[in-house]
Amino acid sequence: DIQMTQSPPSLSASLGDKVTITCQASQNINKYIAWYQQKPGKAPRLLIRYTSTLESGTPSRFSGSGSGRDYSFSISNVESEDIASYYCLQYDNLPYTFGAGTKLELK
Amino acid sequence: QVTLKESGPGILQPSHTLSLTCSFSGFSLSTYGMGVSWIRQPSGKGLEWLASIWWNGNTYNNPSLKSRLTVSKDTSNNQAFLKVTSVDTADTATYYCAHTRKLGGFDYWGQGVMVTVSS
Repeated sequence: DIQMTQSPPSLSASLGDKVTITCQASQNINKYIAWYQQKPGKAPRLLIRYTSTLESGTPSRFSGSGSGRDYSFSISNVESEDIASYYCLQYDNLPYTFGAGTKLELK
Repeated sequence: QVTLKESGPGILQPSHTLSLTCSFSGFSLSTYGMGVSWIRQPSGKGLEWLASIWWNGNTYNNPSLKSRLTVSKDTSNNQAFLKVTSVDTADTATYYCAHTRKLGGFDYWGQGVMVTVSS
């Protein structure tokens, strides 16, 4: 199985900050990584797929980059509505595997 | 517009079989490249992919659950199903179904159904 090491587990930011979350795969995942936002009591929402492709409706302050084993997800100008947990997912190889998640909180 | 909704028993006893239904609209599971996946999340914890079923009938299960999982579909009624045998308390979680595209990840999710395993 491909392990996805996501960091940090939690993040504290002020409104307007830029924050970055990273996921490192245990092997090359050929850019097949997606990023999800999850708010309490809600299903995850797909924000970015294939490393950097924003889904329809995803604000442009969200971005993704990376290749090989190393990937990052950023939010520039954090807004109050961005307070949530974020997960990466590799879908290059079965079994699909998620990172452990990052909880973004307001400072 | 793609929508999915999970349904299930809510609570069941250890050693029993969990049966879940995913009812969906906005796509067909007979269309090339379309799939439905099942993902679960224990309260306060992370996400775990369980299984996927594809337009061509192929199924893939997470080996961590060994042979406890069975996925199936009813294309004509736009439904997918998940069975988990021999449940125990570790299977207590919210179970989601999600529309899945070939090399596209899980793009649309249901609201989730909470399942509690308890005697």
